[in-house]
Amino acid sequence: AQSVAQPEDQVNVAEGNPLTVKCTYSVSGNPYLFWYVQYPNRGLQFLLKYITGDNLVKGSYGFEAEFNKSQTSFHLKKPSALVSDSALYFCAVRDWEGQNFVFGPGTRLSVLP
Amino acid sequence: GAVVSQHPSWVICKSGTSVKIECRSLDFQATTMFWYRQFPKQSLMLMATSNEGSKATYEQGVEKDKFLINHASLTLSTLTVTSAHPEDSSFYICSARGTRLAGVETQYFGPGTRLLVL
Repeated sequence: AQSVAQPEDQVNVAEGNPLTVKCTYSVSGNPYLFWYVQYPNRGLQFLLKYITGDNLVKGSYGFEAEFNKSQTSFHLKKPSALVSDSALYFCAVRDWEGQNFVFGPGTRLSVLP
Repeated sequence: GAVVSQHPSWVICKSGTSVKIECRSLDFQATTMFWYRQFPKQSLMLMATSNEGSKATYEQGVEKDKFLINHASLTLSTLTVTSAHPEDSSFYICSARGTRLAGVETQYFGPGTRLLVL
């Protein structure tokens, strides 16, 4: 069975500092990995995905994520955080033949001015 | 711009009434649609998966007679919460999967519908 872990409920970072939101996964076969962001009372917004190819994936709003197969991780990163990045971030996995996403529990990011 | 819409975005209803939520794919044909619910400060939980023209597949623990899903066309799916009760209050998010840009199959999420049952 697929599973996704986001070990941190909350991440606080000062504006301008780099940020990392962690994600580890478990899936049979090759994983499709995704990051989504959710603002209050809003649906999910797609940030980036890894399907195959380069392990470093660049996405929307300056975010990037690195796929590490040996550590089964897909951490989300941004070199310089903005206050407007404050939101709830979800990591998700889908196996190559699966129908559905499995979401992690979410990590709340607070960027402090 | 948005590629999946939901209507309504907010709904407040009395206990015992039924509520219908629409999910539309705006510029692509969604071969598969998914319905999720999200409780406060929790992750999204899949409720059911539906393919156009066939019956929805419900996840374990989701009452199919309570949450009626219709996927009558490639651009529209509806979720009807029948005889809603306060414990059904939640944020419901639909997702549509299909081929949109460059022939690549992608899955898009709607903006969500917040249901409050009094």
